[in-house]
Amino acid sequence: SAVISQKPSRDICQRGTSLTIQCQVDSQVTMMFWYRQQPGQSLTLIATANQGSEATYESGFVIDKFPISRPNLTFSTLTVSNMSPEDSSIYLCSVEMETEAFFGQGTRLTVV
Amino acid sequence: AQKITQTQPGMFVQEKEAVTLDCTYDTSDQSYGLFWYKQPSSGEMIFLIYQGSYDEQNATEGRYSLNFQKARKSANLVISASQLGDSAMYFCAMRGGWRSGYSTLTFGKGTMLLVSP
Repeated sequence: SAVISQKPSRDICQRGTSLTIQCQVDSQVTMMFWYRQQPGQSLTLIATANQGSEATYESGFVIDKFPISRPNLTFSTLTVSNMSPEDSSIYLCSVEMETEAFFGQGTRLTVV
Repeated sequence: AQKITQTQPGMFVQEKEAVTLDCTYDTSDQSYGLFWYKQPSSGEMIFLIYQGSYDEQNATEGRYSLNFQKARKSANLVISASQLGDSAMYFCAMRGGWRSGYSTLTFGKGTMLLVSP
């Protein structure tokens, strides 16, 4: 199993600013995944972060808007850049193991 | 491409009754996994149950069971003896879409379950 500590749990940010979300895993994992959940919607994969290489972004998501770091096998950050109200969402990090996928507690972001 | 369909936006059930949440999927993968997650209002994603595509028996975890019908491509979640604390959003998800060395999760739109006293 894996325990993921994600922070901050929530934040209210001004438009045009950036927020960095951190995820710490209690074991070494190859891949970490970042999801966005817009209000009332399902989870959408933003990108996959592999240690030592650039993240792989899904269609509709770009590195300039959502830069990701993966400095080691237990840690990753997602930055939401130049925020607008449309970025108000829950952001979740995740790791996957054989028969489970574990999620952080989520970051509830409100952009005003 | 993978697709998960949850046709029930909302479900109501009385406490202590059983409820079935529907999930159908579409994939061209031979090997895949199916998950159910619970998301309370706090926003965290709580893993409930997993079914592998090659598992012959339906998965069970306490009050949760997964009714896996491979030919119909359905993976319904059954919650027995509902409790008030079961009120939450429930997501069906599928692991597949294999890429170079890893797979990804695709989520359905979710079903909001409300349990009444």
